[in-house]
Amino acid sequence: NAGVTQTPKFQVLKTGQSMTLQCAQDMNHEYMSWYRQDPGMGLRLIHYSVGAGITDQGEVPNGYNVSRSTTEDFPLRLLSAAPSQTSVYFCASKPQGRNQPQHFGDGTRLSIL
Amino acid sequence: AQSVTQPDIHITVSEGASLELRCNYSYGATPYLFWYVQSPGQGLQLLLKYFSGDTLVQGIKGFEAEFKRSQSSFNLRKPSVHWSDAAEYFCAVGASNDYKLSFGAGTTVTVRA
Repeated sequence: NAGVTQTPKFQVLKTGQSMTLQCAQDMNHEYMSWYRQDPGMGLRLIHYSVGAGITDQGEVPNGYNVSRSTTEDFPLRLLSAAPSQTSVYFCASKPQGRNQPQHFGDGTRLSIL
Repeated sequence: AQSVTQPDIHITVSEGASLELRCNYSYGATPYLFWYVQSPGQGLQLLLKYFSGDTLVQGIKGFEAEFKRSQSSFNLRKPSVHWSDAAEYFCAVGASNDYKLSFGAGTTVTVRA
């Protein structure tokens, strides 16, 4: 009963490095999304996907790329890490239906030096 | 676009006392409303949701919330708080025309013995 799995749990990068945060769900959910959580700002939507092959930008997409080649996986790529991207990143998935809640992973804590 | 305001950044409550967390939303049509709880170092767990019907919604862990359209509010309540309720609580609103959620900034609850 894995749900939404995020890897890694912690990561430290240097400015300018690139990396991919992994997200996988085993619930066959169509909708997946990435959020970042910063103190006093709640969760802000970075990118989302309504199905395989379909992605779109959220509220704060700059500096991030996503792809959705399968229903299960939704990786988030940092192209050139900046200190402003230091944050906790959450992946979520949800089934079809507007009233269905999102299921969250445990997060990736990312520090950019 | 929808938005959420949680007026209280931090609330301290004694164990056994009642708790009420405020949430005000902005959205032109009937919203989909959610309360999530986040324990330290964890992801977000759904407490309850509202999308139609009875305006008093029961959730897990003894929580309830009341939807008041006239006040654009969806306040969360618990009659008697336990030490394990210490966490951060997020209110979120979803629109009827897409899958995206907008989160409030969160309210941190501290429970004193």
